Amino acid sequence: GEDVEQSLFLSVREGDSSVINCTYTDSSSTYLYWYKQEPGAGLQLLTYIFSNMDMKQDQRLTVLLNKKDKHLSLRIADTQTGDSAIYFCAEDYNQGGKLIFGQGTELSVKP
Amino acid sequence: DADVTQTPRNRITKTGKRIMLECSQTKGHDRMYWYRQDPGLGLRLIYYSFDVKDINKGEISDGYSVSRQAQAKFSLSLESAIPNQTALYFCATSDPRTGGPEAFFGQGTRLTVV
Repeated sequence: GEDVEQSLFLSVREGDSSVINCTYTDSSSTYLYWYKQEPGAGLQLLTYIFSNMDMKQDQRLTVLLNKKDKHLSLRIADTQTGDSAIYFCAEDYNQGGKLIFGQGTELSVKP
Repeated sequence: DADVTQTPRNRITKTGKRIMLECSQTKGHDRMYWYRQDPGLGLRLIYYSFDVKDINKGEISDGYSVSRQAQAKFSLSLESAIPNQTALYFCATSDPRTGGPEAFFGQGTRLTVV
Protein backbone atom coordinates (compact mmCIF):
# COMPACT_ATOMS: atom_id res chain seq x y z
CA GLY A 1 0.00 0.00 0.00
CA GLU A 2 0.93 3.63 0.00
CA ASP A 3 3.52 4.66 2.53
CA VAL A 4 5.00 7.81 3.98
CA GLU A 5 8.23 7.55 5.97
CA GLN A 6 9.89 9.95 8.40
CA SER A 7 12.62 9.66 10.97
CA LEU A 8 11.22 9.71 14.50
CA PHE A 9 13.47 12.21 16.28
CA LEU A 10 15.50 15.34 15.58
CA SER A 11 17.36 17.48 18.10
CA VAL A 12 18.77 20.93 17.31
CA ARG A 13 20.07 23.94 19.18
CA GLU A 14 18.09 27.16 19.36
CA GLY A 15 18.98 29.43 16.47
CA ASP A 16 20.11 26.60 14.19
CA SER A 17 18.18 25.41 11.16
CA SER A 18 16.13 22.22 11.37
CA VAL A 19 15.56 19.96 8.39
CA ILE A 20 12.87 17.31 8.62
CA ASN A 21 12.78 14.77 5.81
CA CYS A 22 10.01 12.61 4.39
CA THR A 23 9.67 10.07 1.60
CA TYR A 24 6.39 9.02 0.02
CA THR A 25 5.23 6.48 -2.54
CA ASP A 26 2.06 7.80 -4.24
CA SER A 27 3.24 9.61 -7.37
CA SER A 28 -0.31 10.81 -8.08
CA SER A 29 -0.55 12.94 -4.93
CA THR A 30 -1.78 16.42 -5.73
CA TYR A 31 -0.66 18.05 -2.51
CA LEU A 32 1.91 17.26 0.14
CA TYR A 33 1.54 18.70 3.60
CA TRP A 34 3.39 19.47 6.78
CA TYR A 35 1.36 19.45 9.99
CA LYS A 36 2.55 20.42 13.47
CA GLN A 37 1.29 18.85 16.69
CA GLU A 38 2.08 20.48 20.00
CA PRO A 39 1.67 18.47 23.22
CA GLY A 40 -1.98 17.84 24.04
CA ALA A 41 -3.19 19.56 20.92
CA GLY A 42 -4.62 18.64 17.56
CA LEU A 43 -2.85 19.00 14.24
CA GLN A 44 -2.18 22.41 12.78
CA LEU A 45 -1.42 22.82 9.10
CA LEU A 46 1.97 24.49 8.71
CA THR A 47 2.24 24.56 4.97
CA TYR A 48 1.53 22.53 1.86
CA ILE A 49 3.01 22.30 -1.59
CA PHE A 50 1.33 21.56 -4.87
CA SER A 51 2.89 18.61 -6.63
CA ASN A 52 4.05 20.60 -9.67
CA MET A 53 6.19 22.88 -7.50
CA ASP A 54 9.79 22.32 -6.43
CA MET A 55 9.94 24.77 -3.56
CA LYS A 56 7.73 26.89 -1.39
CA GLN A 57 8.88 29.45 1.15
CA ASP A 58 6.76 30.92 3.90
CA GLN A 59 8.63 33.10 6.41
CA ARG A 60 10.95 30.75 8.35
CA LEU A 61 9.65 27.65 6.57
CA THR A 62 11.03 26.26 3.31
CA VAL A 63 9.54 23.19 1.68
CA LEU A 64 11.52 21.33 -0.98
CA LEU A 65 9.93 18.70 -3.20
CA ASN A 66 11.88 16.24 -5.33
CA LYS A 67 9.25 14.38 -7.31
CA LYS A 68 11.73 12.12 -9.03
CA ASP A 69 12.96 10.76 -5.70
CA LYS A 70 9.58 11.23 -3.96
CA HIS A 71 11.31 13.21 -1.22
CA LEU A 72 9.87 16.11 0.72
CA SER A 73 11.68 18.22 3.28
CA LEU A 74 10.78 20.99 5.69
CA ARG A 75 13.45 23.46 6.73
CA ILE A 76 12.83 25.70 9.72
CA ALA A 77 15.25 28.61 9.88
CA ASP A 78 16.34 30.10 13.23
CA THR A 79 14.64 27.33 15.18
CA GLN A 80 13.11 28.45 18.48
CA THR A 81 12.11 26.51 21.59
CA GLY A 82 8.48 27.14 20.61
CA ASP A 83 9.08 25.04 17.51
CA SER A 84 9.44 21.93 19.68
CA ALA A 85 6.63 19.64 18.55
CA ILE A 86 5.88 16.60 16.41
CA TYR A 87 5.91 17.31 12.68
CA PHE A 88 3.90 15.14 10.31
CA CYS A 89 4.39 14.82 6.61
CA ALA A 90 1.25 13.77 4.69
CA GLU A 91 0.22 13.10 1.13
CA ASP A 92 -3.18 13.38 -0.48
CA TYR A 93 -3.63 9.75 -1.49
CA ASN A 94 -5.01 9.23 -4.96
CA GLN A 95 -6.19 12.87 -4.94
CA GLY A 96 -9.25 11.79 -3.00
CA GLY A 97 -8.91 14.02 0.01
CA LYS A 98 -7.70 11.17 2.21
CA LEU A 99 -4.41 11.87 3.87
CA ILE A 100 -1.66 9.31 4.37
CA PHE A 101 0.57 10.40 7.24
CA GLY A 102 4.13 9.65 8.13
CA GLN A 103 5.01 8.50 11.62
CA GLY A 104 5.85 12.00 12.78
CA THR A 105 9.23 13.54 13.65
CA GLU A 106 9.61 14.80 17.20
CA LEU A 107 11.66 17.98 17.09
CA SER A 108 13.45 18.91 20.28
CA VAL A 109 15.00 22.38 20.45
CA LYS A 110 17.63 22.88 23.12
CA PRO A 111 18.45 26.35 24.45
CA ASP B 1 -15.18 28.40 19.51
CA ALA B 2 -13.39 25.59 17.71
CA ASP B 3 -14.38 24.85 14.13
CA VAL B 4 -14.13 21.09 14.72
CA THR B 5 -15.27 19.90 18.16
CA GLN B 6 -14.78 16.43 19.54
CA THR B 7 -16.49 15.02 22.61
CA PRO B 8 -15.45 13.66 24.98
CA ARG B 9 -11.84 14.86 25.18
CA ASN B 10 -10.84 11.96 27.40
CA ARG B 11 -12.53 8.67 28.12
CA ILE B 12 -11.66 5.53 30.02
CA THR B 13 -13.80 2.50 29.30
CA LYS B 14 -13.78 -1.21 30.04
CA THR B 15 -13.14 -4.03 27.61
CA GLY B 16 -16.34 -5.10 25.87
CA LYS B 17 -18.20 -1.82 26.36
CA ARG B 18 -19.75 0.10 23.49
CA ILE B 19 -18.53 3.64 23.18
CA MET B 20 -19.29 6.53 20.85
CA LEU B 21 -17.01 9.42 20.01
CA GLU B 22 -18.69 12.48 18.55
CA CYS B 23 -17.52 15.14 16.17
CA SER B 24 -19.27 18.29 15.03
CA GLN B 25 -18.07 21.04 12.72
CA THR B 26 -19.12 24.58 11.95
CA LYS B 27 -17.12 24.95 8.75
CA GLY B 28 -19.88 23.76 6.44
CA HIS B 29 -17.58 21.17 4.90
CA ASP B 30 -18.93 18.12 3.15
CA ARG B 31 -16.01 15.81 3.88
CA MET B 32 -15.35 14.37 7.32
CA TYR B 33 -12.79 11.86 8.55
CA TRP B 34 -11.85 9.80 11.58
CA TYR B 35 -8.19 9.01 12.26
CA ARG B 36 -6.42 7.31 15.11
CA GLN B 37 -2.95 8.20 16.30
CA ASP B 38 -0.57 5.74 17.90
CA PRO B 39 2.98 6.62 19.01
CA GLY B 40 5.48 5.91 16.25
CA LEU B 41 2.75 5.13 13.70
CA GLY B 42 1.41 8.55 12.83
CA LEU B 43 -2.27 8.94 11.99
CA ARG B 44 -4.20 6.20 10.22
CA LEU B 45 -7.57 6.64 8.54
CA ILE B 46 -10.47 4.70 10.06
CA TYR B 47 -13.51 5.94 8.09
CA TYR B 48 -14.36 8.86 5.89
CA SER B 49 -17.51 10.44 4.49
CA PHE B 50 -17.72 12.76 1.48
CA ASP B 51 -21.34 13.68 2.12
CA VAL B 52 -24.25 12.61 4.31
CA LYS B 53 -25.07 9.58 2.15
CA ASP B 54 -21.48 8.53 1.55
CA ILE B 55 -19.53 6.40 4.05
CA ASN B 56 -16.26 4.67 3.22
CA LYS B 57 -13.86 2.42 5.06
CA GLY B 58 -10.34 3.62 5.59
CA GLU B 59 -7.14 1.74 6.26
CA ILE B 60 -8.11 0.32 9.68
CA SER B 61 -11.92 0.10 9.91
CA ASP B 62 -12.20 -3.31 11.63
CA GLY B 63 -13.82 -2.97 15.06
CA TYR B 64 -15.26 0.48 14.29
CA SER B 65 -18.44 1.86 12.77
CA VAL B 66 -19.55 5.40 11.93
CA SER B 67 -22.69 7.41 11.46
CA ARG B 68 -23.06 10.67 9.52
CA GLN B 69 -26.13 12.12 11.18
CA ALA B 70 -25.95 15.44 9.35
CA GLN B 71 -23.48 17.43 7.31
CA ALA B 72 -22.06 18.80 10.55
CA LYS B 73 -21.93 15.59 12.60
CA PHE B 74 -19.89 12.43 12.21
CA SER B 75 -19.67 9.93 15.07
CA LEU B 76 -17.36 6.98 15.56
CA SER B 77 -18.44 3.89 17.53
CA LEU B 78 -16.52 1.04 19.04
CA GLU B 79 -19.08 -1.76 19.32
CA SER B 80 -17.05 -3.81 21.78
CA ALA B 81 -13.95 -1.96 22.92
CA ILE B 82 -10.66 -3.83 23.25
CA PRO B 83 -7.38 -2.66 24.83
CA ASN B 84 -5.54 -2.27 21.50
CA GLN B 85 -8.06 0.42 20.58
CA THR B 86 -6.45 2.61 23.22
CA ALA B 87 -5.28 5.61 21.18
CA LEU B 88 -5.76 9.27 20.40
CA TYR B 89 -8.64 9.76 17.96
CA PHE B 90 -8.96 12.74 15.63
CA CYS B 91 -11.85 13.97 13.57
CA ALA B 92 -11.12 16.16 10.55
CA THR B 93 -13.00 18.01 7.84
CA SER B 94 -12.14 19.29 4.40
CA ASP B 95 -13.85 20.70 1.35
CA PRO B 96 -11.77 21.33 -1.78
CA ARG B 97 -14.57 23.46 -3.24
CA THR B 98 -14.48 26.03 -0.49
CA GLY B 99 -11.63 25.35 1.91
CA GLY B 100 -8.79 24.52 -0.44
CA PRO B 101 -6.62 21.47 0.16
CA GLU B 102 -6.37 21.89 3.91
CA ALA B 103 -7.87 19.42 6.38
CA PHE B 104 -9.00 20.89 9.70
CA PHE B 105 -8.57 18.76 12.80
CA GLY B 106 -10.36 18.62 16.13
CA GLN B 107 -8.43 18.62 19.40
CA GLY B 108 -8.59 14.84 19.70
CA THR B 109 -10.20 12.32 22.03
CA ARG B 110 -7.88 10.27 24.21
CA LEU B 111 -9.47 6.86 24.67
CA THR B 112 -8.19 4.27 27.13
CA VAL B 113 -9.63 0.77 27.14
CA VAL B 114 -8.85 -1.19 30.31
